[in-house]
Amino acid sequence: QVQLVQSGAEVKKPGASVKVSCKVSGYTLTELSMHWVRQAPGKGLEWMGGFDPEDGETIYAQKFQGRVTMTEDTSTDTAYMELSSLRSEDTAVYYCATELSSSSVYYFDYWGQGTLVTVSS
Amino acid sequence: SSELTQDPAVSVALGQTVRITCQGDSLRSYYASWYQQKPGQAPVLVIYGKNNRPSGIPDRFSGSSSGNTASLTITGAQAEDEADYYCNSRDSSGNHKVFGGGTKLTVL
Repeated sequence: QVQLVQSGAEVKKPGASVKVSCKVSGYTLTELSMHWVRQAPGKGLEWMGGFDPEDGETIYAQKFQGRVTMTEDTSTDTAYMELSSLRSEDTAVYYCATELSSSSVYYFDYWGQGTLVTVSS
Repeated sequence: SSELTQDPAVSVALGQTVRITCQGDSLRSYYASWYQQKPGQAPVLVIYGKNNRPSGIPDRFSGSSSGNTASLTITGAQAEDEADYYCNSRDSSGNHKVFGGGTKLTVL
């Protein structure tokens, strides 16, 4: 059973950066494909990016290219998502989620509890 | 705009059957997965692949697909099924993922 525990809520000023962590237990991070999904208040889910095992690379949604960096520390089984140049529209709950894939089937089976990032001056 | 299209809201009478749909070109090539999200909670996977339920998901939840449309069916909807439902799949360009806009299900 995989458990994902995320870091606590953050308040940031416009232009700053935020780094959210996601600690894995039950499996090692190298066995998982970690992704990040965010949800603005009252809005839907938005995929930000994640590890693509087919290419062996981390891929990012076009919308966040150049502003987001997803990294992993395999020594502590912790994944990180850093978003820079924050603006008010980045206020959202950020989730980490593990993806399983096989042939034409892709799904996020485990989710973190979410981290609220508030961007406000 | 989302490459996967869902109806914003659907309602169903208690105990009746409801179908929530998701449309997109990429669904001709890839299966959709479905997520239930209740207020203040993280999403929960309810259906993936052709019609697979994770452990703990009631068998009243089922999935199907035809052409560019994936469907989530709840047979005998319960009050606790009231939630937002999202579909997800690859996008039409390749290895990126995309969510539908979500459907708010109300159980009357």
